[in-house]
Amino acid sequence: EPEVTQTPSHQVTQMGQEVILRCVPISNHLYFYWYRQILGQKVEFLVSFYNNEISEKSEIFDDQFSVERPDGSNFTLKIRSTKLEDSAMYFCASSPSGTSYEQYFGPGTRLTVT
Amino acid sequence: AQSVTQLDSQVPVFEEAPVELRCNYSSSVSVYLFWYVQYPNQGLQLLLKYLSGSTLVKGINGFEAEFNKSQTSFHLRKPSVHISDTAEYFCAVMYSSASKIIFGSGTRLSIRP
Repeated sequence: EPEVTQTPSHQVTQMGQEVILRCVPISNHLYFYWYRQILGQKVEFLVSFYNNEISEKSEIFDDQFSVERPDGSNFTLKIRSTKLEDSAMYFCASSPSGTSYEQYFGPGTRLTVT
Repeated sequence: AQSVTQLDSQVPVFEEAPVELRCNYSSSVSVYLFWYVQYPNQGLQLLLKYLSGSTLVKGINGFEAEFNKSQTSFHLRKPSVHISDTAEYFCAVMYSSASKIIFGSGTRLSIRP
């Protein structure tokens, strides 16, 4: 069964450094999402992406964040200058179409900022 | 404002006992409801979903949920829990297709032998 994959599974970085989290959505999916979950808290929406554009973003998704689909398979989340409070689990999700109500989640990348 | 409320942060229950995890959502003309499960150190797995039709939906692992429009609730139930059901359960809502999912704060289900 096709699944969303994410790399790395765990990333440790120093405050102020740039990180790129990578996701490979399910191959025929068209809508892509990033969510994050700070330890012990709920899952929060960051951004949705369709047709090479951001379709919606949350207040959390400020100028230090960016997303990109650099080729036909990868979907990346870049954090330009990491802060301690960016430490969280980051989940990528994909959806097949605009009429779909189901999002398929990857296993997550745990980001630790020291 | 669009929101999901899970009233219980933790629910302890004995093995083979029934369980109900409560969820309420902010009302809207159209709403699509989900329950996700997160096992320790793992990602999110869809348990079940309500899109339309029958208000009682059945999911994986013997779970079911009932959509109650008048009470804006979508409670999750299982008649007899197993140790392997120990996990965090998230209620979630979507207000239109291909839009963001809004998650509740989660309920930690702990099963006692």
